[in-house]
Amino acid sequence: AQTVTQSQPEMSVQEAETVTLSCTYDTSESDYYLFWYKQPPSRQMILVIRQEAYKQQNATENRFSVNFQKAAKSFSLKISDSQLGDAAMYFCAYYLYNNNDMRFGAGTRLTVKP
Amino acid sequence: DVKVTQSSRYLVKRTGEKVFLECVQDMDHENMFWYRQDPGLGLRLIYFSYDVKMKEKGDIPEGYSVSREKKERFSLILESASTNQTSMYLCASSSPKGVTTEAFFGQGTRLTVV
Repeated sequence: AQTVTQSQPEMSVQEAETVTLSCTYDTSESDYYLFWYKQPPSRQMILVIRQEAYKQQNATENRFSVNFQKAAKSFSLKISDSQLGDAAMYFCAYYLYNNNDMRFGAGTRLTVKP
Repeated sequence: DVKVTQSSRYLVKRTGEKVFLECVQDMDHENMFWYRQDPGLGLRLIYFSYDVKMKEKGDIPEGYSVSREKKERFSLILESASTNQTSMYLCASSSPKGVTTEAFFGQGTRLTVV
């Protein structure tokens, strides 16, 4: 079965510090995309960052960056200079291009302490 | 601005009722997805569709069916609602032809079956 695993149900970080959220995935496909989504209390899912599997360079979006290890099937999210507004559920996901399948992990609840 | 709209934000239904959850997207996306979100389990894929009248089962299709008669609309049907179907339901759409392939989400429907 193809899966996405987030091993940290909850994480906490002090404001202005850095935190890393873990994600591993399992697929036999070679053509796929990886995503991190944020879900604040409003419930609206928001895309944080995206990584194409064929690209070796790690994606970066302002304070958000990923560590993509394709051989290890690992895709962690680093949040730098954490802000109170970063508090949310974070979901890791992949999209398989060949069969249009998109799966998510169980999520990590991030708390940011002032 | 891209938009995925779910017909209801909150819904209360009785056991045994037939329930329709509607989702409409205005982005001309080929792919549409229905997920169920439960605490600790993340988003679990119920069904997805990659074209009109096409559907594929996800991880938890039992007790659900779907309909996609038009490209912009993807309906989730609970044939006979049961209390264990009380959950948050999220609809999403994406395009494999797009630059990003990211999924865009509706605001979610919180369904309670009593």
